[in-house]
Amino acid sequence: QLQLQESGPGVVKPSETLSLTCTVSGGSISSSSSTWAWIRQPPGKGLEWIGSISYSGSTYYNPSLKSRITISVDTSKNQFSLKLSSVTAADTALYYCASPYCSSGRCYWEWFDPWGQGTLVTVSS
Amino acid sequence: EIVLTQSPATLSLSPGERATLSCRASQSVSSFLAWYQQKPGQAPRLLIYDASNRATGIPARFSGSGSGTDFTLTISSLEPEDFAVYYCQQRRSWPPLTFGGGTKVEIK
Repeated sequence: QLQLQESGPGVVKPSETLSLTCTVSGGSISSSSSTWAWIRQPPGKGLEWIGSISYSGSTYYNPSLKSRITISVDTSKNQFSLKLSSVTAADTALYYCASPYCSSGRCYWEWFDPWGQGTLVTVSS
Repeated sequence: EIVLTQSPATLSLSPGERATLSCRASQSVSSFLAWYQQKPGQAPRLLIYDASNRATGIPARFSGSGSGTDFTLTISSLEPEDFAVYYCQQRRSWPPLTFGGGTKVEIK
């Protein structure tokens, strides 16, 4: 059973860079058609897609964040990572990593399931 | 960017009742719409994809319908574990992939 786990600092200072890693277990991050996602949720609010990365390293970013984000993949460690620079209080959120939904031999990278449990990142000095 | 508007914001119902949730897109998303369920303290879970296909392991009481700009998630008879927040999401036009603001289904 595929499982995802986010890790990284819980507090980041304003203007610094937020760095998170998602470790995938129970399956290979290099599976064909696999594209992995980062999604965030400010406290008490809705969901925002941050961006996605394929196993080969192709990236797709939310235009609203594109200038500040970098998503990378490390297939040797079965991990993918998020870096968000120049953070402000508006970046305080629960950050999730998510898998493409796969069914009957087909994977849909734009649908997300399963998700990691999420990690809360607070931007504060 | 395609904006998804969900209504109502909150739905107050009793167990056993039928729940009807709406998601309206700012432009056509064809059938490229999904629904997720999020319980307190948990990550979202995919319920419905491509407007009407139930994801693996999702009970038959959950159904999705619609195309173009208007979509509906129906829960035929609410179970206690169904009280949660529900989000719609589109993949027709990206970037960005976008989510609706959510509908909370609460116990009346």
